[in-house]
Amino acid sequence: EAGVAQSPRYKIIEKRQSVAFWCNPISGHATLYWYQQILGQGPKLLIQFQNNGVVDDSQLPKDRFSAERLKGVDSTLKIQPAKLEDSAVYLCASRPDGRNTQYFGPGTRLTVL
Amino acid sequence: DQQVKQNSPSLSVQEGRISILNCDYTNSMFDYFLWYKKYPAEGPTFLISISSIKDKNEDGRFTVFLNKSAKHLSLHIVPSQPGDSAVYFCAASANTDKLIFGTGTRLQVFP
Repeated sequence: EAGVAQSPRYKIIEKRQSVAFWCNPISGHATLYWYQQILGQGPKLLIQFQNNGVVDDSQLPKDRFSAERLKGVDSTLKIQPAKLEDSAVYLCASRPDGRNTQYFGPGTRLTVL
Repeated sequence: DQQVKQNSPSLSVQEGRISILNCDYTNSMFDYFLWYKKYPAEGPTFLISISSIKDKNEDGRFTVFLNKSAKHLSLHIVPSQPGDSAVYFCAASANTDKLIFGTGTRLQVFP
């Protein structure tokens, strides 16, 4: 079974630029999550999707972050414009229905200069 | 508000000995707890979990203990191996909701 796929793996941008991350969850997993992990901290949830609907985006900085999962499969997270404090690893995870365990992708390391 | 805490940022253990990683939580609504292992430049890998209706779950060299009254869980690795060297994250959820992670403990297993 293929795992969660994410791209790109690394991205370096200057502040005020835009960036987008892509995630393809494990096949059949209806629930998809985006987490932000800042160096030295644990992952923090940004947004949770159930199929193509948003379940929880309470921690998403909506003035600059957006995410979509139009067809209920893959998802895109966008930052526009980026700030220095957005430097972090962005992790995507998916979870099968009826199970509590989330499975993570390799992450995208974003550096904002 | 740190609902899940891992108070030891690092732990060093000799190969073959037991590694004990600790985690405390504050939210009594948490009903599921997980441990993830993370190598550099990789995403967290699921290791073992426990439901709040149990107090122990074992999988090979890994055992998780849950003490609900103390709001404390621990991960035991016996025997420890050099390949176990990684950052270990404790996470908790309520009703299959989002995971709340601790800050991680870096385990180093030396020969």
